[in-house]
Amino acid sequence: NAGVTQTPKFQVLKTGQSMTLQCAQDMNHNSMYWYRQDPGMGLRLIYYSASEGTTDKGEVPNGYNVSRLNKREFSLRLESAAPSQTSVYFCASKGLAGFNTGELFFGEGSRLTVL
Amino acid sequence: GQQVMQIPQYQHVQEGEDFTTYCNSSTTLSNIQWYKQRPGGHPVFLIQLVKSGEVKKQKRLTFQFGEAKKNSSLHITATQTTDVGTYFCAGGAATDSWGKFQFGAGTQVVVTP
Repeated sequence: NAGVTQTPKFQVLKTGQSMTLQCAQDMNHNSMYWYRQDPGMGLRLIYYSASEGTTDKGEVPNGYNVSRLNKREFSLRLESAAPSQTSVYFCASKGLAGFNTGELFFGEGSRLTVL
Repeated sequence: GQQVMQIPQYQHVQEGEDFTTYCNSSTTLSNIQWYKQRPGGHPVFLIQLVKSGEVKKQKRLTFQFGEAKKNSSLHITATQTTDVGTYFCAGGAATDSWGKFQFGAGTQVVVTP
């Protein structure tokens, strides 16, 4: 099994450009998450989707939108990229182990640079 | 809102030594998880603690959850070079839902042979 797959792995954007980060999981998990990781700040939740058809804001949602396309896929869109969005983005998923327990499975990350 | 703080931010250890990293939450947690991220890699789940005062061991790693469920620790004995990486704790709030875990900033561990 591939687990959680993210694309692209690397991307360089100019300020104001838009792009979508793709995430897919093959573990039949209900919950999916987008985090960003910046030096010294750990992982901060951008958006999450508790189940297919629902999405909610996390800690740092401004400048982002998400789509839970189906049970497998959860995409993150930057409509107008800003240098402050330079970061490493991780997608994660979680199975039905209880609504706020259970292991998070992370993708390999997408390294985004906004010039 | 809930805040999870980890100390130290940086830990330099000689091979064979022991060390401990600590995690403190501003609110009561329903559970706490620990993850390890190797340099250039992604976080990988290590363990989850749920019960007050719980202690779990994984070989040289010992995890504890405080009696008040507001703090946790990870103790590594006889550190090896394979222990290099950043260790994150992630707290699940007692009043929150759907896995909105609050991650600490992590403890970056460097091991000198």
